[in-house]
Amino acid sequence: DAGVIQSPRHEVTEMGQEVTLRCKPISGHNSLFWYRQTMMRGLELLIYFNNNVPIDDSGMPEDRFSAKMPNASFSTLKIQPSEPRDSAVYFCASSLTGTEKLLFGSGTQLSVL
Amino acid sequence: AQKVTQAQTEISVVEKEDVTLDCVYETRDTTYYLFWYKQPPSGELVFLIRRNSFDEQNEISGRYSWNFQKSTSSFNFTITASQVVDSAVYFCALSSPNRGGADGLTFGKGTHLIIQP
Repeated sequence: DAGVIQSPRHEVTEMGQEVTLRCKPISGHNSLFWYRQTMMRGLELLIYFNNNVPIDDSGMPEDRFSAKMPNASFSTLKIQPSEPRDSAVYFCASSLTGTEKLLFGSGTQLSVL
Repeated sequence: AQKVTQAQTEISVVEKEDVTLDCVYETRDTTYYLFWYKQPPSGELVFLIRRNSFDEQNEISGRYSWNFQKSTSSFNFTITASQVVDSAVYFCALSSPNRGGADGLTFGKGTHLIIQP
């Protein structure tokens, strides 16, 4: 069974550009999470979906960040416009339910120059 | 508010030594779940264990063992006879289904474990 699939693995962009990160959760999992990892702040929950519906986006840093889950097998995290402080590793994770173990994708290393 | 504290930022031991990683959590919920994840140098996050708040039995899986004590709000992780491949950052995490209707894990800052040959 394929795990959580994220793309791209690496993204380098210039400040002001739009960035879109993609995630395919494990088939059958009802919950999807976006996390950001930085040295300063560690692992932060950005947003959480249950059955494709956003439940809690209180962790989204600001309006420049948006996330969608148009169907059970795909989610995107968009940053527009990007800033250097957005540089981080962004992880997507899925679980059967919100309290089961989260299985993480390999992450997207984002560098905003 | 939920909080997970991993006071040990970095631990370095020699191979074959036993090592314990500490985790202390804070929550007002009576039902909650505790997790440990491993992040090797390659960067992925690997699930190790999930325990619920009603199950205080210690668990052993090979060289890994976990000690859950509600009285001290701790969920410590011990590696017996450590190996170089155990070198990684280890994260303790907490989840509560009652947290404002949202789930997801609250992570500690992680403990960087270095196993020297």
